[in-house]
Parts: sequence; C-alpha cells; structure tokens
Amino acid sequence: GQQLNQSPQSMFIQEGEDVSMNCTSSSIFNTWLWYKQDPGEGPVLLIALYKAGELTSNGRLTAQFGITRKDSFLNISASIPSDVGIYFCAGQRLPNNAGNMLTFGGGTRLMVKP
Amino acid sequence: GAGVSQSPRYKVAKRGQDVALRCDPISGHVSLFWYQQALGQGPEFLTYFQNEAQLDKSGLPSDRFFAERPEGSVSTLKIQRTQQEDSAVYLCASSLGAWLNNEKLFFGSGTQLSVL
Repeated sequence: GQQLNQSPQSMFIQEGEDVSMNCTSSSIFNTWLWYKQDPGEGPVLLIALYKAGELTSNGRLTAQFGITRKDSFLNISASIPSDVGIYFCAGQRLPNNAGNMLTFGGGTRLMVKP
Repeated sequence: GAGVSQSPRYKVAKRGQDVALRCDPISGHVSLFWYQQALGQGPEFLTYFQNEAQLDKSGLPSDRFFAERPEGSVSTLKIQRTQQEDSAVYLCASSLGAWLNNEKLFFGSGTQLSVL
C-alpha cells in the first residue's frame, strides 16, 4: 500500500481561489515529484524537486521540498476549470538504483466550481 | 509514436482467464515500468526493465503476474488465472535513459482491466 499520506483527499474550490495540498511520509525521500492525472489518462509530471528546502515554480504552480525530506506541498494560484483532476505526489529514496522506484501518494481530487 | 501507447484500452475478463497487456514505449527509451492503479488510489510499482533486462520485479503481487520485454522495446504484462482483485488500471511508463535521478517518466493512458 501507499506509504505517502496525501491531503486533502478531495476539495471543491471556487474559480480564482488558491489551492494547497501536501504530502507527508515517515521515511526520507531524496526526490519529490508532483503529477496530475486527468480521467482516462496517465499521470503527467508537473514539478520535480531534488534538494531539501527547494522551492520551484511552474506557471501558477509552486512546490516545495520539505527541509526534513519527509514532506512536500503543492500550491496552485488563481485556479481555473482546467485544473480539475487528480494530483499525486511521488517520492524516490536514496540510493538511486533499480530498487528505488517511485512511491505515489493516494491523490488529491480537485474539483472547481465555475 | 509520439507517446507511450498501451493496448487494449479496456479489457473485460472472466475470473480464471489469462490476459496480456501490451505497452509500446517511446522509441529509443531505455527504461520501461509497469504500475498498477486501483480505483481511487495512486499507482503502485510492479516491475522495471532496462532494455530487455528485467532489473526489478519486486512489485509483482503474485507468481500469476509475468512481464517481458524480449527485444528491449515493446513489453507485455501477462496475468494468469485472473482474480477479481486484479481489477485495476495498468499503467506503462518509459524514460529515455537508465533509471537515474532527474529522469522524466512518460506514462501511457493505461489498460483498464475488469475481472468479473
């Protein structure tokens, strides 16, 4: 089962509002990734974080790699209807070899009221 | 093709039937992964290939699951004697290089398997 706790599980927001979701783990990760999955499609990478404390933006998206290496958050500013979908965090542990695949969180389902 | 292609998109199987799911990764991609995504859950790792070598199969849930990539390109995930708990979306992903840090994974749209 999933080892990453992602919250909230779902949220309704008004168009134009900012959104925040986070992911926590009892284990340390050396890489944090955020993906978006639309219905009937595979996950698409949004942001990748490689260093503790790193803050990275991609348009209206901002994500941070927690200083303890055990958490990460994703913010979406000024939400629009096409932000609807499921957002997944994923982590990868050290050492980086064939035995350290991505571990995904349970997802945050984002629903926007137009 | 331009992206990772999976077929079929949907598969309905009777319990006990064998199924084969196909993945065509992006041309030239060395690494290929299979993930299982149950309804309402995040993807869970099944197995990893680097070219034709299956380097990690620790995520395969039972010996009924078998994956191959004989020529280092197309891969097939086979499930024998399917059970209801095998119902899920099976995602294939590929990346350009060997699985190292900073590699970007490209996912296919998945095969939705329903076992009745």
